[in-house]
Amino acid sequence: GAVVSQHPSWVICKSGTSVKIECRSLDFQATTMFWYRQFPKQSLMLMATSNEGSKATYEQGVEKDKFLINHASLTLSTLTVTSAHPEDSSFYICSAAGQEGTEAFFGQGTRLTVV
Amino acid sequence: RKEVEQDPGPFNVPEGATVAFNCTYSNSASQSFFWYRQDCRKEPKLLMSVYSSGNEDGRFTAQLNRASQYISLLIRDSKLSDSATYLCVVTAFSGSARQLTFGSGTQLTVLP
Repeated sequence: GAVVSQHPSWVICKSGTSVKIECRSLDFQATTMFWYRQFPKQSLMLMATSNEGSKATYEQGVEKDKFLINHASLTLSTLTVTSAHPEDSSFYICSAAGQEGTEAFFGQGTRLTVV
Repeated sequence: RKEVEQDPGPFNVPEGATVAFNCTYSNSASQSFFWYRQDCRKEPKLLMSVYSSGNEDGRFTAQLNRASQYISLLIRDSKLSDSATYLCVVTAFSGSARQLTFGSGTQLTVLP
């Protein structure tokens, strides 16, 4: 199946710093990428949806100035957590989808710990 | 009402049992349907797509009922390795934007 690579797989950062997470589709063109957050023992929560070349659409309650999403090409999207705080510690997962009707493929996830 | 709702679970079943999960969706314009499996602390992985005609893959059978707007997943002869969280996923378009909506997941534990 298609491969989506997410990097880094884990990161520990100091409070107040910014962290960038990359999501790449390795063997297909991802017209749409999704970013999710998952807290322990909870379900995936969609943060934002981005289509290549356009601004991301953020879910209600997700601060677009804090979670910066860039989807400049059909194979790469980035999520930057700016001025991270301990409450931002979570498991962040990206998902990429190609043509209409096809399933979405997930990155391996990034476990962010803010200390 | 949530866009996609799943059985709350958790389901604890003995090995060899048959277990079924249901998932309802509210958007009648939904186009594609999938079941994903997520193991603890891992990313979700596609288990199977769901078609109107129903589809089967080994011990797993998925069905779609567009009239009643629900999808189901049946697992026969359950194995210990089937223990995971099962997520139903529904895709739709809102204008030109694609939406991918997950259910909250149903946790399955298969007991020896």
